[in-house]
Amino acid sequence: EVQLVESGGNLVQPGGSLRLSCAASGFTFSKFWMHWFRQAPGKGPTWVSRINSDGTAIDYADFVKGRFTISRDNSNNTLYLQMNSLKVEDTAVYYCAFKDDRGGSWGQGTQVTVSS
Amino acid sequence: EIVMTQSPLSLPVTPGEPASISCRSSQSLLLSNGHNYLDWYLQKPGQSPQLLIFLGSIRASGVPDRFSGTGSGTDFTLKISRVEAEDVGVYYCMQALQSPPTFGQGSKLEIK
Repeated sequence: EVQLVESGGNLVQPGGSLRLSCAASGFTFSKFWMHWFRQAPGKGPTWVSRINSDGTAIDYADFVKGRFTISRDNSNNTLYLQMNSLKVEDTAVYYCAFKDDRGGSWGQGTQVTVSS
Repeated sequence: EIVMTQSPLSLPVTPGEPASISCRSSQSLLLSNGHNYLDWYLQKPGQSPQLLIFLGSIRASGVPDRFSGTGSGTDFTLKISRVEAEDVGVYYCMQALQSPPTFGQGSKLEIK
C-alpha cells in the first residue's frame, strides 16, 4: 500500500524556520518526481515545489523562491522541505505528493502555523 | 502562468442524478504526444485531495467508473453518472502541462 506521511509542522514565529519531512513507502520512491503542495485555511491547494527522481532538477513557486529548499534522500525514501524566513501567509497544511501511471497519492498533510 | 476556471462553483445534486463540472484553461493543455495534461481531484471533508482523473480522461486506480473525464485543448468536463452520498466534497481541476501547476477555484458538490 502506498503511504506518504508528512511530519515537522509546528507553530513558528515570523522569520523562523521549519523542516518538513515526508516518509514514503509502498512504491519505488527513487523513480518518481515528488511534489510539495500547500493549502491555506479555507482555500484551494497550491503547488509549492517539485524535485526529480535523482534530485538534479528542482522547481519552486515564485512565492517561496529563495526561502524554501526541497531535497530528497532516496536511500531513506524521504522527501524534505526546508522552510526559512517564514511569513504569516505561509500558514497552511503542507502535503507531499507524487503521480505514477496508476494515479499516485497525496499524504495527509502537516500543519504549519506562522504567528507571533 | 496558466489560469484555470471552473463552473459551477456550487453544485447541489440529488442522489442518483448525474452531475457535471466544467474546467477551462487559459492555454491549450494538449501536447504533441496527444495527451491533455489535465487532472481532476476530489477533496472530501477533512481529507487531503485525491486524484480522480489524470491526462484528461484516465481514471486513477480505485476510482469508480461513474466518474469520467472528457475534453481536449482548453475545455474539459468531469462527469458523475449517478451521484452518491460519498461524492460530496470540493472538486478541483489542475493543469500539469506547465510549471507552476495551477488549480481551478474548486466546485463544491453537496447533496440535496
